[in-house]
Amino acid sequence: GIQVEQSPPDLILQEGANSTLRCNFSDSVNNLQWFHQNPWGQLINLFYIPSGTKQNGRLSATTVATERYSLLYISSSQTTDSGVYFCAGTFGGSQGNLIFGKGTKLSVKP
Amino acid sequence: DTAVSQTPKYLVTQMGNDKSIKCEQNLGHDTMYWYKQDSKKFLKIMFSYNNKELIINETVPNRFSPKSPDKAHLNLHINSLELGDSAVYFCASSNVGEQFFGPGTRLTVL
Repeated sequence: GIQVEQSPPDLILQEGANSTLRCNFSDSVNNLQWFHQNPWGQLINLFYIPSGTKQNGRLSATTVATERYSLLYISSSQTTDSGVYFCAGTFGGSQGNLIFGKGTKLSVKP
Repeated sequence: DTAVSQTPKYLVTQMGNDKSIKCEQNLGHDTMYWYKQDSKKFLKIMFSYNNKELIINETVPNRFSPKSPDKAHLNLHINSLELGDSAVYFCASSNVGEQFFGPGTRLTVL
């Protein structure tokens, strides 16, 4: 089956540090999303990025669909960035079935 | 204005009971979904509905049944609850592309 692999699985940062999270996928992607699950369990949409690069404040994302990976950049991290970051995509002929990676758990220390 | 809402937020019940979780979206989307997040935080698609038709039905037990009274609502009915059904259930909606998630319902089966 289709694989969505995220790395690293865990990441501990000091406040103010930068980080890059990676998402590799095993098939051609139709839609690619990044989510932040905060400590209260809410899934927050960060980026909808099937290809190209987008930026939103301190966060940016790049998807290189031809090479089957996406990156999420977090700059000047804050304690409120803590939580689990998921990438998820739809693949092949399926437009709706989001397949999730296992997530990167980020802890930002003050 | 809540885009995707779910009720209840928490549900604690005994094994063998039947329960329902409700989902409503006010985004005017055509497709709604149910996802399950297990104790290891892994998210997996369960069902989706497009214009009242089931278009994805992953290998979930037939004790789970989605019901959509109209385009804005997709409820999840669970019969004969088992301990292993304990999880967080997320509703989502989309047109073609980005999916938006509800706040989740934490189901605990005792």
